[in-house]
Amino acid sequence: KAGVTQTPRYLIKTRGQQVTLSCSPISGHRSVSWYQQTPGQGLQFLFEYFSETQRNKGNFPGRFSGRQFSNSRSEMNVSTLELGDSALYLCASSLPQARNGYTFGSGTRLTVV
Amino acid sequence: SQQGEEDPQALSIQEGENATMNCSYKTSINNLQWYRQNSGRGLVHLILIRSNEREKHSGRLRVTLDTSKKSSSLLITASRAADTASYFCATDGGGSGNTGKLIFGQGTTLQVKP
Repeated sequence: KAGVTQTPRYLIKTRGQQVTLSCSPISGHRSVSWYQQTPGQGLQFLFEYFSETQRNKGNFPGRFSGRQFSNSRSEMNVSTLELGDSALYLCASSLPQARNGYTFGSGTRLTVV
Repeated sequence: SQQGEEDPQALSIQEGENATMNCSYKTSINNLQWYRQNSGRGLVHLILIRSNEREKHSGRLRVTLDTSKKSSSLLITASRAADTASYFCATDGGGSGNTGKLIFGQGTTLQVKP
């Protein structure tokens, strides 16, 4: 059974640019969540999608957005990149009620220069 | 903001010893989960304990939960060098349904020396 796949693994962008990250959940998982991990702030929740609808959103500026497609694949977009957006971005998928916890991808390491 | 606090922040032990990590949280929960992260990679789910459970075992892992104290502990017995990683507790923030949001602690970095 394939795990959660995140692409790309590494990304270097310039301030002011925008970036799109992709996440393919485990087959059958309809919930996809996104997290940002930085040394200073740790792991912070960005948003969660279920059946193409955003159900929950963390405390991030509007430059951070996402969407989910009918096949449950999800993308997140960050516009007008800032240096502070440099982080490891993780997505996770789960079954309903997350009764077995969440399965995380290996992450996308974004560096903004 | 992070609601979980983990203690200790770093732990260094010899192979074969037991490692205990503690986690405290602030709000009500439906469940608490522990995850492992190897060197900046993705998180691996270790164990989930529900709010009505007090103790749970999985292989060399033992998790306890005390909802009256809003705290949990993770015990790894007979540690191995391969257990070297960062360990995070995460809560679901309580409430009904699955909102898909986990609230993570700052993590404990465990080093197991061969």
